[in-house]
Parts: sequence; C-alpha cells; structure tokens
Amino acid sequence: AQSVTQLGSHVSVSEGALVLLRCNYSSSVPPYLFWYVQYPNQGLQLLLKYTSAATLVKGINDFEAEFKKSETSFHLTKPSAHMSDAAEYFCAVTRTDSWGKLQFGAGTQVVVTP
Amino acid sequence: DTGVSQDPRHKITKRGQNVTFRCDPISEHNRLYWYRQTLGQGPEFLTYFQNEAQLEKSRLLSDRFSAERPKGSFSTLEIQRTEQGDSAMYLCASSLVVSGRVDEQFFGPGTRLTVL
Repeated sequence: AQSVTQLGSHVSVSEGALVLLRCNYSSSVPPYLFWYVQYPNQGLQLLLKYTSAATLVKGINDFEAEFKKSETSFHLTKPSAHMSDAAEYFCAVTRTDSWGKLQFGAGTQVVVTP
Repeated sequence: DTGVSQDPRHKITKRGQNVTFRCDPISEHNRLYWYRQTLGQGPEFLTYFQNEAQLEKSRLLSDRFSAERPKGSFSTLEIQRTEQGDSAMYLCASSLVVSGRVDEQFFGPGTRLTVL
C-alpha cells in the first residue's frame, strides 16, 4: 500500500523567499511521485514528476523536488516565491508495478505575502 | 479547447435524488480517471477506464455509484439516492498510456456537488 504525508496544511512565505513544501511517502514497492498545484476553482496541474530517471527533478515555474529514498521524502522547493504561487499544492504517489491511480496527500495551502 | 471538460460545474440536489456528471477527456487519451475531493483533503481515487473497460474501482465507490465510458470517449458518473456525505468535488482526469512510460494525468475543473 502507498500513502503520502504532507507536513503543514498551511505555509506562509514572503515574496522572494524560499518556498519549501514537505512530502513523505510510504510505499511497498518503488514509487513514482508527483507534485500538483491547484488554483481556486481550477483542476490540478502537474508541476513535476519523479519516475526514477533522476533524483533531482525540475518542473514548471522554477519548482524542483528531490527524491531521497533514505528519507522517503520528495520535498518541493522554489528559490523565490511569487505572488502567483499562492495556491494549494498536492504530493501524490503511484506504484511502479501497476501505476495509474494516484494516492494524494492532504495538501498544503501556500500564502504569499508582499 | 483541448483540455478535459466536465459538466456541470456545480450541482445542488436534495437528498435522495439521482445525479449524473459528464467528463470529456482530451481526445486522443485512452485512460480516464474519476476522483473525489472533499474540503481540506486531497483527491481520492474512485475508478478508472482504459478505453471503454473499467479496470479498477475503489471501495469508496459504493453500489450507489456507477461509472461508464461507453465508446471509450466521454464518461459519466452517476450517483443514485444521494446522501449528504456525497457532497464533494468530483474530478475527472485523462491520460495517454504509452507502453513503458508513466502517464501524466490531465485534470478537469471538477463538478462540485452539494446535497441538501
């Protein structure tokens, strides 16, 4: 079975500051991992994905995440927050042996202050 | 528009009524997923189709729920005898599965259901 834990349901960052969103996973088989962003009244948009090719994954809008097997983590970072980054972010996991359905974390709401 | 579309965007119904939602995936996509998202939670998997075949259903999908994808294109999700606990956002996603590659799921805007 897989599961995802996102630490912190709300994160507040200043514009220009580092964004760090934490995600830990549990999986009985090697996982594929994803970060999605959801803006109000919109569907989820894929930011980036880890599919075992490289542990440091770069995504859209300068986001990146690092897969650390020893820590079972896949934290999302962005060097400099923009006001437009205010949204809800979801980490998700799926199985490598029967991938398809995503198991999502509870989400982290990001607020960006001027 | 080349994205995933869902109809209606909002639905208010009374307890005990039946409701049906529609999802139109990206045209060449062969997989279609349904998820449910309640307030303050991440989406939860309900079911998915490969072309017209329904391959997996979650335990969340009680016998009051039924999903179809009759011609491998659009899909419908029906909830019979709605309950207040069915109030949620219902999300549809589609993807193109290519052998050996992890698919990227593209999500629609969702249908928000409110059961009074």
